[in-house]
Parts: sequence; C-alpha cells; structure tokens
Amino acid sequence: QVQLVQSGAEVKKPGSSVKVSCKASGGTFDTHAINWVRQAPGQGLEWVGGIIPMFGTSTSAQSLLGRVTLTADESTTTTFLELSGLTVEDTAVYYCTTVARFGDGWDHKFDPWGQGTRVIVSS
Amino acid sequence: HSVLTQPRSVSGSPGQSVTISCSGTGSDVGAYPYVSWYQEHPGRSPKLIIYGVNKRPSGVPARFSGSQSDNTASLTISGLQAEDEALYYCSSYAGTYTYVFGNGTQVTVL
Repeated sequence: QVQLVQSGAEVKKPGSSVKVSCKASGGTFDTHAINWVRQAPGQGLEWVGGIIPMFGTSTSAQSLLGRVTLTADESTTTTFLELSGLTVEDTAVYYCTTVARFGDGWDHKFDPWGQGTRVIVSS
Repeated sequence: HSVLTQPRSVSGSPGQSVTISCSGTGSDVGAYPYVSWYQEHPGRSPKLIIYGVNKRPSGVPARFSGSQSDNTASLTISGLQAEDEALYYCSSYAGTYTYVFGNGTQVTVL
C-alpha cells in the first residue's frame, strides 16, 4: 500500500508562489498517478491537477488558469505542486492522493491520501 | 468550483438508512463508470468508501453502498451509526485525466 507524506505548512504573500511536496513510499511511480486536491476553509474538495510520473505528463483544473505546475522526481519518488500568482482565495489545505494503474487504464479512485499541507496566503 | 450537486445535509437516527445523491452531467457521472465517494471527519484526510460506482474497498463496512442511474449517483448508508456522522463527497472522472467533486453533504446522526 502506497503511503504519502507531504511537506509542512506554508505562509505566503499574495502574488508569490508556493511549492508543496509529496513523497510516496510502499509503491512505485510505474503504477500510480499523483493527484492534488485542495480544500479551502469551510469549503468542499476541489481537484487541482494530476501527474503521471512515469510519462511526465500532467493535467490541471481549468479554473486555475495555468497557474499550476506539477513535477515529479522519480529518484526520490517525490512529486511537487507549484502554484503561482497566489491570492487569498488559494488559502487551503492541499492534499496529494494517488490513482493506480488498473489493467491498461486507471482505477480513477483517490486512495490513499496524504496528511495535507496548509497553505495560507496573507498580506 | 463544485461541479457535481449534492444536498447540503441529510440526517437520520441510529439504525435508519440515509441516501445522498450526486447529480452530474453526461460528460462526467453519466459518461464513465468511475464515481467514487469519500468520507471526511473533522481534521482528517478524506477516506475512500466507494469506487467504481458500487465497489467497496477492503475494510469499509457493508452498510455503505453505491448506485447510479443516468447522470445521478447515490450513496446509501444502511443501519446508520454514530461514527458515520461526517462530510461525504462524491467524485467522478470527467475524461482526459480530469476529475470533478461534489459540494459535499453533512450527515448528522440524530
């Protein structure tokens, strides 16, 4: 079973960028895609984006207007979410979670989840 | 940012059944057999309880079940227990490696 450990909380100024990491253990990048989901205070879950480390390909939510950069370091089994042009609306807990390979495709279920990284954007 | 529509809250007494609906479109819920449900307790990371519309991961009690009809998926909790009080979110694959979530439903055990 894959386990995910995320980096610690961040406090950022509006207009700056934040980079959050997610280290996977107990599995391999060959069999998982890493996705990011965020939850603003008192709000619901929002899919941010995902990366297939084996291929280096990524997708992200259109609502984030190209501010998301997803990368992966296979040597350390760590993926990174970088969000630029931060606004107070980006204040949220950011979770990484996995989608596993299933046959020739993917199982399209988020399991397991990391512990979450709190990002606070404040002037 | 929610795309899938869930009721804001549902409630029931211990032992009763509650059902949460998750309304999407023909581009997400109605297009792929990949609706999943997540349980979230305060201060904890979400936990997968249903995937592939109606499959339960190992360790999830059988009182949780899922179903789907056209563009609407549903989660039923039968024999409600106190520990089931939590927030519940549906999610669907939406094609091209993108996903959407519902707005979340608070389940209250009376």
